[in-house]
Amino acid sequence: NAGVTQTPKFRVLKTGQSMTLLCAQDMNHEYMYWYRQDPGMGLRLIHYSVGEGTTAKGEVPDGYNVSRLKKQNFLLGLESAAPSQTSVYFCASSHGQGTNTEAFFGQGTRLTVV
Amino acid sequence: EDQVTQSPEALRLQEGESSSLNCSYTVSGLRGLFWYRQDPGKGPEFLFTLYSAGEEKEKERLKATLTKKESFLHITAPKPEDSATYLCAVQAISSGYSTLTFGKGTMLLVSP
Repeated sequence: NAGVTQTPKFRVLKTGQSMTLLCAQDMNHEYMYWYRQDPGMGLRLIHYSVGEGTTAKGEVPDGYNVSRLKKQNFLLGLESAAPSQTSVYFCASSHGQGTNTEAFFGQGTRLTVV
Repeated sequence: EDQVTQSPEALRLQEGESSSLNCSYTVSGLRGLFWYRQDPGKGPEFLFTLYSAGEEKEKERLKATLTKKESFLHITAPKPEDSATYLCAVQAISSGYSTLTFGKGTMLLVSP
């Protein structure tokens, strides 16, 4: 059981380049999330989705876009990367409403923008 | 705005020296409080969910408790392998119970 899988695990981008981070979950979860984690700032929510075809903004959405075309996948895009987007990105998923609402996390993507 | 504050920021213990980590929260309509463990270079790993004041949950050397304003993660006779960052998060009505708001974590180091 793979759980939540993020691709790639590491990436170095030049300022202005674009890229897409892929998150896949095999737990049939409705809700999916993208967080970034920076030293001293904790985990901050970028965007989230409460079901296939839906997305919503989190605490720090600027400079990012997302898509959830399939229930199991949640994509995070950076159209024009900036050094301020250097961070560790985590994807998570959960059942959402009802019981067992805990989120399960992937292993992270370490992104450096130079 | 939901707020989660964890203390201390860092804690160093000797093996076998019990202690507690604190998570205080200010939210409207708490649905659940979550504890996670995070090892360096890894994603957070789920430990516990607490839903109502007075609730307690245990797992090996860890016990989590919840009041109306805070939660404690008690670590009894810790071992070096308990060294990690412990994160607290809340799920509340402000987000339609859809998202988790995290504290900044407590970094625990247990020395042999």
